[in-house]
Amino acid sequence: EVLLVESGGGLVQPGRSLRLSCAASGFTFDNYAMHWVRQAPGKGLEWVSSISWNNLSTDYADSVKGRFTISRDNAKNSVYLQMNSLRVEDTAFYYCVKVQGFWSGYYDSWGQGTLVTVSS
Amino acid sequence: EMVMTQSPATLSVSPGERATLSCRASQSVGNNLAWYHQKPGQSPRLLIYDASTRATGIPARFTGSGSGTEFTLTISSLQSEDFAVYFCHQYNNWPWTFGQGTKVEIK
Repeated sequence: EVLLVESGGGLVQPGRSLRLSCAASGFTFDNYAMHWVRQAPGKGLEWVSSISWNNLSTDYADSVKGRFTISRDNAKNSVYLQMNSLRVEDTAFYYCVKVQGFWSGYYDSWGQGTLVTVSS
Repeated sequence: EMVMTQSPATLSVSPGERATLSCRASQSVGNNLAWYHQKPGQSPRLLIYDASTRATGIPARFTGSGSGTEFTLTISSLQSEDFAVYFCHQYNNWPWTFGQGTKVEIK
C-alpha cells in the first residue's frame, strides 16, 4: 500500500521560513516524480512544485518561484519543500503527491496534508 | 495558463439518481485529464485518469469521457459515499491546473 506522510506544517509569521517533509513507502520511490499541491482552506487545488524521479529537474508555480525549493532524498524515500519568505497567501494545506510518471502525469496517491498558516 | 472550468458549481442530486459533471479546458489537453473527489476533512482521491480509465478500486458507476477541451464525469447511481467535491486536473500543459470543483450534495 502506498503511504505518503507529510510533516512540518504549523503557524509561522510572514517573512519566516518552514520546511515540509514527506515520507513515502509502499512503492519504488526513485521510479516516480513527486509534486507538492496546496489547497487554501475551503478553496480549490493549486500545483506548487515538481521534482523528477532522478532529482535532475525541478519546477515551480509562478506564485512561489524564487521562494520555495523542492528536493528529494531517494535513499530516505523522502521529498521536501523549503518555504522561505512566507506570505499570508501561502496559507494552505500542503499535499505531497505521487505522480504516475517520471516528470508529469496524474496523481495516483496523496498524503493526508499538512497545514501551513502564515499569520502575524 | 490553461484554465479548467467546471460546471455546475453545485449539483443537488437524490441518492440513486444520475449525476453529470462537466470540465472544459481553455485549449486542448488531448486525453491528459484526471478526475478526483474529496470528502470533507480528507485529501483528494483519484477516480479517473487519461480521461476515461478508472483508477484501481473505483466502482463501475463512475465513467469518464471526452477529449480535447470537453470532458464529462458521470456517476450512474449516486451512493451516500459519493457526495463530495469533484475536481478535474489537466496534466498536458505546464503549469498543471485544476478546475475549481463541483460540489455534489444531497437533494
